[in-house]
Amino acid sequence: GAVVSQHPSWVICKSGTSVKIECRSLDFQATTMFWYRQFPKQSLMLMATSNEGSKATYEQGVEKDKFLINHASLTLSTLTVTSAHPEDSSFYICSAAIDASNQPQHFGDGTRLSIL
Amino acid sequence: TQLLEQSPQFLSIQEGENLTVYCNSSSVFSSLQWYRQEPGEGPVLLVTVVTGGEVKKLKRLTFQFGDARKDSSLHITAAQPGDTGLYLCAGEGTSGSRLTFGEGTQLTVNP
Repeated sequence: GAVVSQHPSWVICKSGTSVKIECRSLDFQATTMFWYRQFPKQSLMLMATSNEGSKATYEQGVEKDKFLINHASLTLSTLTVTSAHPEDSSFYICSAAIDASNQPQHFGDGTRLSIL
Repeated sequence: TQLLEQSPQFLSIQEGENLTVYCNSSSVFSSLQWYRQEPGEGPVLLVTVVTGGEVKKLKRLTFQFGDARKDSSLHITAAQPGDTGLYLCAGEGTSGSRLTFGEGTQLTVNP
């Protein structure tokens, strides 16, 4: 089956640090990758849609300068949280879709980000 | 914007009981997916329903898609502690691409 790997799975850092999270599709090429944010006991909120070779599409209310997304290849998308602050602490999850229909989406195991 | 209302938000039951989780919207979806998520992990797809009125069974789990493709339900028979987790419904819009997630149902099955 399609596997999506996310790295790191857990990161703790000081306020003001920039953190990069990687999302890789291991056994397939992903035209589109999605980045979600999830607070404890809550649902997934879509942050942005990332298409290989083009600019990401951000959801309303998500700061594109704060959450930098790069989708340089068909197997890798990165999310960089710039100058992270405690309020950015959350669980970040990526998903990847194989074809243009974008379904089904295959989810990574998430990255727990804690900003001190 | 398409919204999915999921209920109940929290559910705590005893082992052996039955339960139903509902997912409702005023919008039509081309498909609806149900996921289960464990703490610290990504959601795992349980089922995708596509046709209005469709019913799918996965062992003790029964999924139904409403005739109008605006709502869905998940019924668990004889719940077990291993069923504990966050259940999420997600609808695919008729224009495709993005998924809209419901708020989730945190299920706890007590032994």
